[in-house]
Amino acid sequence: DAKTTQPPSMDCAEGRAANLPCNHSTISGNEYVYWYRQIHSQGPQYIIHGLKNNETNEMASLIITEDRKSSTLILPHATLRDTAVYYCIVRVAGNTGKLIFGQGTTLQVKP
Amino acid sequence: GAGVSQSPSNKVTEKGKDVELRCDPISGHTALYWYRQRLGQGLEFLIYFQGNSAPDKSGLPSDRFSAERTGESVSTLTIQRTQQEDSAVYLCASSLSPGTSGRELFFGEGSRLTVL
Repeated sequence: DAKTTQPPSMDCAEGRAANLPCNHSTISGNEYVYWYRQIHSQGPQYIIHGLKNNETNEMASLIITEDRKSSTLILPHATLRDTAVYYCIVRVAGNTGKLIFGQGTTLQVKP
Repeated sequence: GAGVSQSPSNKVTEKGKDVELRCDPISGHTALYWYRQRLGQGLEFLIYFQGNSAPDKSGLPSDRFSAERTGESVSTLTIQRTQQEDSAVYLCASSLSPGTSGRELFFGEGSRLTVL
C-alpha cells in the first residue's frame, strides 16, 4: 500500500473549516484514500473514503486531486470535539483490508 | 451489542505472567483485526482474521504473541511471559469481508495493558 505524508499538527478556530492535507504521490490506480480519526483514549473512528471522485458525508468532505497524488479532508465547521489525531491511509480494495496507520495530524480546535 | 466490545478495559500484570485479551466483533463481521498502540505512538497492525483463519500474522512481534478466533466471532489475543515493553493499548477492529471499496473498520475502545 502507498505511503502517505501528513503535517504533524494543525490548529483551527472553532466554527471555522478545518482543511487537513495528505500527500500520497505513489498511489496506485486501485488504491482508495481513507480517513480515520482518533479522539484521545478512544479507538479510531472511520470518517470517509474515496477513489477519485470527491466525497461528502455527514462528517466531512474529501477532495482528491485529479492526479490522485494528494487529498484534503475538510471539516466544514470545526468544534472542540473535533480535536483528535487524523489519519490518512491508502489501501487496496480486495486485499486483506488491513489499514497501515502513519503518525497522522494532530488537529487542535481552539475556542 | 451495537459495537466492538473488548475486555478487560484495563489489565495490570506482573512481568512474566500470561494475559488474555478478548474481542467481541460486530455480529456478522467476518474480518477481525488486532492492533497495538504504545503510549504516544501510532497503531501497529498485529494480525488479521478472515473467519476463523489468520491469513496475515505479519505484525505479531514475537512468538510470545498468539491469537485465535472461534465461531467466526470472538477472538482472544494471548501474550505469554509478558515484558514491560508489551505495555500498550490493544485495539480490536472488525468489518464485513474485504473485497470491495466500502469496508470500513469499526474499532473497539481497547484493552490497556500495563506490565509492572
